[in-house]
Amino acid sequence: AQSVTQLGSHVSVSEGALVLLRCNYSSSVPPYLFWYVQYPNQGLQLLLKYTSAATLVKGINGFEAEFKKSETSFHLTKPSAHMSDAAEYFCAVSPRGNKLVFGAGTILRVKS
Amino acid sequence: DVKVTQSSRYLVKRTGEKVFLECVQDMDHENMFWYRQDPGLGLRLIYFSYDVKMKEKGDIPEGYSVSREKKERFSLILESASTNQTSMYLCASSAFTGTGGIYSNQPQHFGDGTRLSIL
Repeated sequence: AQSVTQLGSHVSVSEGALVLLRCNYSSSVPPYLFWYVQYPNQGLQLLLKYTSAATLVKGINGFEAEFKKSETSFHLTKPSAHMSDAAEYFCAVSPRGNKLVFGAGTILRVKS
Repeated sequence: DVKVTQSSRYLVKRTGEKVFLECVQDMDHENMFWYRQDPGLGLRLIYFSYDVKMKEKGDIPEGYSVSREKKERFSLILESASTNQTSMYLCASSAFTGTGGIYSNQPQHFGDGTRLSIL
């Protein structure tokens, strides 16, 4: 069965610092990968997706993620955190022809 | 812009009641999904539909049913609500590309969720 592991249920960074949210997946074939963000009292919004084109994917709000097949990882980064980045982030994997599986989520806190 | 609308943001019901959660999308998407979201568990798929009147069970279908009579509308039904169904419910939709299966590489678009409390 496919699975997604997000390391760290809570991550805290200072404003202006690097954001790194970790995601590892298990899949027998290279999957499609997604990062979503959820702001309080809202649904999920797509940040970016990997679909086997470039391994470095750029998304909205300055976020990017790099697909590393050898490490089965798809970590999300942003060079400089902003207060408005505080939210919950979900990594999701869609093995081709199979279901979309979500990680448990990482709550990002940004300190001023 | 893409729009998925869930009929209620907050809902309070009593145990044993039959509960209907409604979802409408305006993107002419073939696929629609119902998830429940619980702290520390992420999103878990309850049911999905890939066409009108078509439905398939997700990972946690017990205690739920769905209805899709029109392409734009997907309803989740709690047949006899129980306290363990208190949760956030999220509806989503996605386009069907014809490659890679139903879920493929098309992102899912989400509604704002319904926070359901069963007393």
